[in-house]
Amino acid sequence: QVQLVQSGAEVKKPGSSVKVSCKASGGTFSSYTISWVRQAPGQGLEWMGRIIPILGIANYAQKFQGRVTITADKSTSTAYMELSSLRSEDTAVYYCARAVNWFDPWGQGTLVTVSS
Amino acid sequence: DIVMTQSPDSLAVSLGERATINCKSSQSVLYSSNNKNYLAWYQQKPGQPPKLLIYWASTRESGVPDRFSGSGSGTDFTLTISSLQAEDVAVYYCQQYYSSITFGQGTRLEIK
Repeated sequence: QVQLVQSGAEVKKPGSSVKVSCKASGGTFSSYTISWVRQAPGQGLEWMGRIIPILGIANYAQKFQGRVTITADKSTSTAYMELSSLRSEDTAVYYCARAVNWFDPWGQGTLVTVSS
Repeated sequence: DIVMTQSPDSLAVSLGERATINCKSSQSVLYSSNNKNYLAWYQQKPGQPPKLLIYWASTRESGVPDRFSGSGSGTDFTLTISSLQAEDVAVYYCQQYYSSITFGQGTRLEIK
């Protein structure tokens, strides 16, 4: 049974970067894709990008191209999402999820607050 | 990008009654080579991550009660809860995985 555990909440200044981690247990980390999805307060779900750990290849939603970097460390079964040039609109809960094509399971979410 | 549009935005249904949520894609998500619709449904309760309910448009995830069912093909899809229970109060999202990934805006389901 795959479980995904994310790092804790963050408060960041506008213009800075944040890096959120997602540690997998159970299953074979390298054999599946990890996606990142965010949810602004009271809003819907927005896909940001994904990585295939076994290949180290990531691809990103066009909206986030150039501002997001998704990486994976196979040795620790951990995926990372780094978002740069933060602005107030980036305040959201960030989720990782195992992706077959659909997403299951999901991490518990990490609240990132961007505030001066 | 494929745009997913759900209707209604919110819905109030009496306990024990049927709830129906619609999802329309801006282009077909039916892959002709395998005749599968690349569509999933999720349930999200407050303070929780989304939970997978349905994939391939109509395949129920293991452990999901059979009162939940998915139907449709091509561009028009429906999530049906046959007999609403109190624990079904949530926001429901459709998601296509045919071309990249996009979600519908969500439908809030409440008890009437």
